[in-house]
Amino acid sequence: DTEVTQTPKHLVMGMTNKKSLKCEQHMGHRAMYWYKQKAKKPPELMFVYSYEKLSINESVPSRFSPECPNSSLLNLHLHALQPEDSALYLCASSQDRPRLGGPTNEKLFFGSGTQLSVL
Amino acid sequence: DQQVKQNSPSLSVQEGRISILNCDYTNSMFDYFLWYKKYPAEGPTFLISISSIKDKNEDGRFTVFLNKSAKHLSLHIVPSQPGDSAVYFCAASRVDNFNKFYFGSGTKLNVKP
Repeated sequence: DTEVTQTPKHLVMGMTNKKSLKCEQHMGHRAMYWYKQKAKKPPELMFVYSYEKLSINESVPSRFSPECPNSSLLNLHLHALQPEDSALYLCASSQDRPRLGGPTNEKLFFGSGTQLSVL
Repeated sequence: DQQVKQNSPSLSVQEGRISILNCDYTNSMFDYFLWYKKYPAEGPTFLISISSIKDKNEDGRFTVFLNKSAKHLSLHIVPSQPGDSAVYFCAASRVDNFNKFYFGSGTKLNVKP
């Protein structure tokens, strides 16, 4: 199984709603990521979990709250979002296995994303 | 400050010909480079990678070349097929912070039948 599964595929929410995005992988990867991508822009890193601990938070507003219940699951809780938060939200995973004494060979495997619209 | 740059937003190529996508980087600490392909409304798919100890890596129709002195890499697709039409992102990382990937802005490739 080389898939990263994201649900839902599409989400429309109002600015007062609370919703969650879900991500699952069964590749035994120990790092999981949330990226945000706007049209015609590169993916923008939001959070990284390494061995179920938050290791990188790219100064993301608190209205986005990540959660990693176990090594296979990653959630992104959304609350009081703004229209400018509308984007494709991508989950990714990687092995999280550093190579000593040489270049890394860490690869990201992405899910198909959740297209979020905030009204 | 964008550390990985793709200066060509789009490229159009005839089917059967070679497609060459370029990528430049500024951080000499990068030691691993990847190419991803992305269709609309889908997540990027890993295509090919190269580490800094090599200058070429080949996988079927896809070859990546790395020129460390010029801080430049390129992706060659030979022969190009209409199904290759997508946005291609290059990305870079470094061994001391290998969970952080820096992406270029993407090049939209159109392969005409």
